[in-house]
Amino acid sequence: EDQVTQSPEALRLQEGESSSLNCSYTVSGLRGLFWYRQDPGKGPEFLFTLYSAGEEKEKERLKATLTKKESFLHITAPKPEDSATYLCAVQAPDYKLSFGAGTTVTVRA
Amino acid sequence: EAQVTQNPRYLITVTGKKLTVTCSQNMNHEYMSWYRQDPGLGLRQIYYSMNVEVTDKGDVPEGYKVSRKEKRNFPLILESPSPNQTSLYFCASSSSLDRLDNSPLHFGNGTRLTVT
Repeated sequence: EDQVTQSPEALRLQEGESSSLNCSYTVSGLRGLFWYRQDPGKGPEFLFTLYSAGEEKEKERLKATLTKKESFLHITAPKPEDSATYLCAVQAPDYKLSFGAGTTVTVRA
Repeated sequence: EAQVTQNPRYLITVTGKKLTVTCSQNMNHEYMSWYRQDPGLGLRQIYYSMNVEVTDKGDVPEGYKVSRKEKRNFPLILESPSPNQTSLYFCASSSSLDRLDNSPLHFGNGTRLTVT
């Protein structure tokens, strides 16, 4: 069974304090790995797609990277508006999508 | 504005009382799906639909029904709700499962269901 594990469960950061979130997966033949952001009371919102090891994608203060077994979401010099839950999802060869439980990031001013 | 609309946002009901959560998308997407989100468990797929009149079970389909009579609508039906179905539910859509890079999943804002 495909598994997606995100760590840590929660992360509290001071404004400007860079950090990384981890998403490890066990799916064979990865079709794609997706990062989503979820704000309280809202549905997840798409951030990035990664396909192959070594790939990187950036958006403002966020940078996602991919290896053969895990992905990292780096948050550089975070601001309070980066506070959210970040979800990782992997797509298997049969198109099935599996989500991790998420990492809740809180950035204090 | 492109969106997935779920109703209601909040619902409190009692065990056994049939209910329907509606989902509508205005993006002409073929693929639609229902998820439930529980603390520590992530998003788990309940049912999905690849197109009109085509539906299939996800990982946790027990106790739920769906229908896809029109492309834009994908209601979730709980014939006899039980307390273990208390959860946060999300509807999502995409143009296609094999084009998630160009057409990522769009999610509704969720329906928080409490069954007492």
